[in-house]
Amino acid sequence: KQEVTQIPAALSVPEGENLVLNCSFTDSAIYNLQWFRQDPGKGLTSLLLIQSSQREQTSGRLNASLDKSSGRSTLYIAASQPGDSATYLCAVPMTTDSWGKLQFGAGTQVVVTP
Amino acid sequence: NAGVTQTPKFQVLKTGQSMTLQCAQDMNHNSMYWYRQDPGMGLRLIYYSASEGTTDKGEVPNGYNVSRLNKREFSLRLESAAPSQTSVYFCASSQTSGGAAGNTIYFGEGSWLTVV
Repeated sequence: KQEVTQIPAALSVPEGENLVLNCSFTDSAIYNLQWFRQDPGKGLTSLLLIQSSQREQTSGRLNASLDKSSGRSTLYIAASQPGDSATYLCAVPMTTDSWGKLQFGAGTQVVVTP
Repeated sequence: NAGVTQTPKFQVLKTGQSMTLQCAQDMNHNSMYWYRQDPGMGLRLIYYSASEGTTDKGEVPNGYNVSRLNKREFSLRLESAAPSQTSVYFCASSQTSGGAAGNTIYFGEGSWLTVV
């Protein structure tokens, strides 16, 4: 069974510092990997999706890398801002034929202090 | 711009009571999902519906039933609530459940359920 782990569980950084969030998975035969943002009391918003054939994906200040052989993905957020404070979750599909059935990590709670 | 709408937002139940969580999406998506989120844990899939007329169990289906009422609506029912079902429930939808570039999954804002 696929297991997804995110370490650390919580992270606090001063504004302007770069954020590095880690996600590891046990089964390297993944179809894709997705990063989500969750604000308190809200649902999840998809940030980036990396297909298994890709090494990285970028959107603005966000960059996500994928290394299937080592079972790791990293989300980089450049020049963090207080508005980046949220919980970030990674997820991979449970099976290769059902993309929306996701296995989630527990998330990393990020606080960016002014 | 409604996206995925869940009702109710908050609910307190007594052990043994039943209730239904409602979910509707206005994006003409084929696939819908119910997840639960517990403290310190990621979301876990309860049930999903790949297309209208089909439903299937996810990782933690025990104690729940679902109905795909039509293409827009997917409800989750607790027949006899237990304290272990205290959780935050999220409904989600996507165009399909199969893999495709750009197939984004959209989540509702969650339903907070407490069983006492």
